[in-house]
Amino acid sequence: AQKVTQAQTEISVVEKEDVTLDCVYETRDTTYYLFWYKQPPSGELVFLIRRNSFDEQNEISGRYSWNFQKSTSSFNFTITASQVVDSAVYFCALSDLKTSYDKVIFGPGTSLSVIP
Amino acid sequence: EPEVTQTPSHQVTQMGQEVILRCVPISNHLYFYWYRQILGQKVEFLVSFYNNEISEKSEIFDDQFSVERPDGSNFTLKIRSTKLEDSAMYFCASSEADRRYEKLFFGSGTQLSVL
Repeated sequence: AQKVTQAQTEISVVEKEDVTLDCVYETRDTTYYLFWYKQPPSGELVFLIRRNSFDEQNEISGRYSWNFQKSTSSFNFTITASQVVDSAVYFCALSDLKTSYDKVIFGPGTSLSVIP
Repeated sequence: EPEVTQTPSHQVTQMGQEVILRCVPISNHLYFYWYRQILGQKVEFLVSFYNNEISEKSEIFDDQFSVERPDGSNFTLKIRSTKLEDSAMYFCASSEADRRYEKLFFGSGTQLSVL
């Protein structure tokens, strides 16, 4: 069965600090996709990144970076030099072939507050 | 950037009433989805739709729910007889034909309150 765990329910950091959001996933499939979405206070869901299971390269996009480790089934997200605009709920998500790629399973989310 | 548009942004209804939530996906997208988020909880998949039929649905998507693409632009979610537990934010999403599993474009949601 698929499952996404985000153990950190809420995190508060002071602006300019680095913060890492943890994501651990479970799937019996060898072919799957992992995602991160951001939900700012305005409520919409904003795509951040997708990774497929065959690509373990870490990715950096500006202040954002992602660390995908199949050995520990983790897909962690780091924000460097956090800013107030980073305050949002962040969801890690998973879809796999056996369940259906159409069905994206979201984790419970981590609420990040960046304090000025 | 093109957007998925959802209307209304808020809908209040009485228990037992029918509601229709409307979405206009991005124009060249062919795959459409509904997700919901009960307040403070995780985002849950409801249904996916392609080529005028449901391709996948969750256990939540029972006989009270239906989806339709009535014309070339709209995608609707109907709840026939609303229950209190249907109160949630409902998100419509769409994806491109050749990038179906890469990225979902979400609308800003319709907050449904069932009284």
